[in-house]
Amino acid sequence: EAGVTQFPSHSVIEKGQTVTLRCDPISGHDNLYWYRRVMGKEIKFLLHFVKESKQDESGMPNNRFLAERTGGTYSTLKVQPAELEDSGVYFCASSQGRLVSSYNEQFFGPGTRLTVL
Amino acid sequence: AQSVTQLDSQVPVFEEAPVELRCNYSSSVSVYLFWYVQYPNQGLQLLLKYLSGSTLVESINGFEAEFNKSQTSFHLRKPSVHISDTAEYFCAVSFSEKLVFGKGTKLTVNP
Repeated sequence: EAGVTQFPSHSVIEKGQTVTLRCDPISGHDNLYWYRRVMGKEIKFLLHFVKESKQDESGMPNNRFLAERTGGTYSTLKVQPAELEDSGVYFCASSQGRLVSSYNEQFFGPGTRLTVL
Repeated sequence: AQSVTQLDSQVPVFEEAPVELRCNYSSSVSVYLFWYVQYPNQGLQLLLKYLSGSTLVESINGFEAEFNKSQTSFHLRKPSVHISDTAEYFCAVSFSEKLVFGKGTKLTVNP
């Protein structure tokens, strides 16, 4: 069974440009999460999809970030326009059920390292 | 609000030595606790978790962690480390349906 995949693995862009990150969850996983780790800091939650609906987007930093999950399969996270402080590693995770209500694990992808110059 | 503190950002040890990676959390409600590991150039992998029951949980590769409610701790231990344990380790607590992570501890095992 394929794990969570993310594309690209690295992206280097200039300030003001647009970048789109993609996440393909494990097949059949309704729950999809985005997290971000800025250098030297903790991994922080960005948002949570249940199928195609945004369940919780409380961690999204500002309106330059737009996440979508059309059809409830893969998800994209667009940053437009990118700023220097957006640099970091963006992780995607998926799970079959919800975290607390069952013996359920979030499976993480390898991350996308974004560098904004 | 939930928060997680990993007291050591880097822990260097020699091969076959014991190691303890410390994790403390703050929460006003009952929590579930996790340790994730990130090997070089790989994604995060779940190492072990505490949901309920026995306060001592073990992983398949010799790590163990003990949930201590009175001290709000979930320290990770291994009695004898290998070179292959070199990685970054993250402690996390569940909050609603998301994870709250600590800053991570880089474990470096030297020959």
